[in-house]
Amino acid sequence: ILNVEQSPQSLHVQEGDSTNFTCSFPSSNFYALHWYRWETAKSPEALFVMTLNGDEKKKGRISATLNTKEGYSYLYIKGSQPEDSATYLCAFYRSGGYQKVTFGTGTKLQVIP
Amino acid sequence: GAGVSQSPRYKVAKRGQDVALRCDPISGHVSLFWYQQALGQGPEFLTYFQNEAQLDKSGLPSDRFFAERPEGSVSTLKIQRTQQEDSAVYLCASSGLAGWTGELFFGEGSRLTVL
Repeated sequence: ILNVEQSPQSLHVQEGDSTNFTCSFPSSNFYALHWYRWETAKSPEALFVMTLNGDEKKKGRISATLNTKEGYSYLYIKGSQPEDSATYLCAFYRSGGYQKVTFGTGTKLQVIP
Repeated sequence: GAGVSQSPRYKVAKRGQDVALRCDPISGHVSLFWYQQALGQGPEFLTYFQNEAQLDKSGLPSDRFFAERPEGSVSTLKIQRTQQEDSAVYLCASSGLAGWTGELFFGEGSRLTVL
């Protein structure tokens, strides 16, 4: 069983605050890591696909970093807005075999106006 | 359609009833996955299809769960004799190529409540 852990489980921030959360995963047999945003009553949508140690990706106010040697990724949101409220999932792709993906339990973010 | 479509969106079943959940993936997508998300948990892998072949069903929790994709497009997840612990959101996802680490495209999920 692969351990993909996310912290914190939930987070409340004020509009305008910056925030970050963590995904930790096995440091061996790494192939790729994805971040997804899942808004209530919608389908999860991919934010970032990360494959290389040291990768940094950015989309607007959201960015992510990747450290495959120590097995963690950070997601940062700068100047949180109410529309950022969602559950953020990370997904770990293990090397070898077909693309079996293990998801973390998610971080539920609520941005208070 | 443009995205992954799942039906029904909501299903309430009495314990012991059989249910069938449908997934219509993005046209041409080879890979199709089913996940189960219980309250407070991340999505847990159930099964994986490459075209019509079910390559991995190791995540199906019991022999009451059965999935098929007979023509390599639409897939159905069937749960027989539902139990309360089957209550969850069932997510379907598809992606373009086998072995590809590109993003998964998800449906909105089917929320099953077993009374």
